[in-house]
Amino acid sequence: DIQMTQSPSSLSASVGDRVTITCRASQSISTYLNWYHQKPGKAPKLLIYAAFSLQSGVPSRFSGSGSGTDFTLTISSLQPEDFATYYCQQSYSTPLTFGGGTKVEIK
Amino acid sequence: QVQLVQSGAEVKKPGASVKVSCKASGYTFTDHYMHWVRQAPGQGLEWMGRINPNTGDTDYTQKFQGRVTMTRDTSISTAYMELSRLRSDDTAVYYCAREIGSSQFDYWGQGTLVTVSS
Repeated sequence: DIQMTQSPSSLSASVGDRVTITCRASQSISTYLNWYHQKPGKAPKLLIYAAFSLQSGVPSRFSGSGSGTDFTLTISSLQPEDFATYYCQQSYSTPLTFGGGTKVEIK
Repeated sequence: QVQLVQSGAEVKKPGASVKVSCKASGYTFTDHYMHWVRQAPGQGLEWMGRINPNTGDTDYTQKFQGRVTMTRDTSISTAYMELSRLRSDDTAVYYCAREIGSSQFDYWGQGTLVTVSS
């Protein structure tokens, strides 16, 4: 199985900050990497697919980069509605696997 | 608009089975794989498997092999996930999720809490 490791596991940031979350795969997954965020009590929401493609309706302050084993999600200017837990997910091979999550909290 | 509506919360005893439904609307049900993902309380996301609604073919993660069964009823655009021999660590919210592209999930059900307790 492909293991996905996210860092950090949590971070504190202020509105307007630039935030970067990293995700590392245990083997190369090309660009088969997706990002979601999840708010308490809600289902996850797709933000970025195929490493850098913005899902329809997602604000342009979200961006993704990377290929192979190392990936990054960047929020250029954190907004109040962005405080949530972020997950990466590899879709290179089954079993599909998720990272452990990064909780973005208000500083 | 696309919607996935899941069945309600369940409380089960250890050793029992649970069957969760996921009714799809707003798109052609047989055009997209349906996946099941679970989330234990305070934990991350865990993929359980998927079903091709067109053919009924399934692909389960090894952890659940022999305990999970995914089926569908195309006449009512509904997917089902049945988990048997429940244990306390199966307590979780179970989500269905529609696949697009290369196994990313663009629509999710609202989640079904399954509590396993004696």
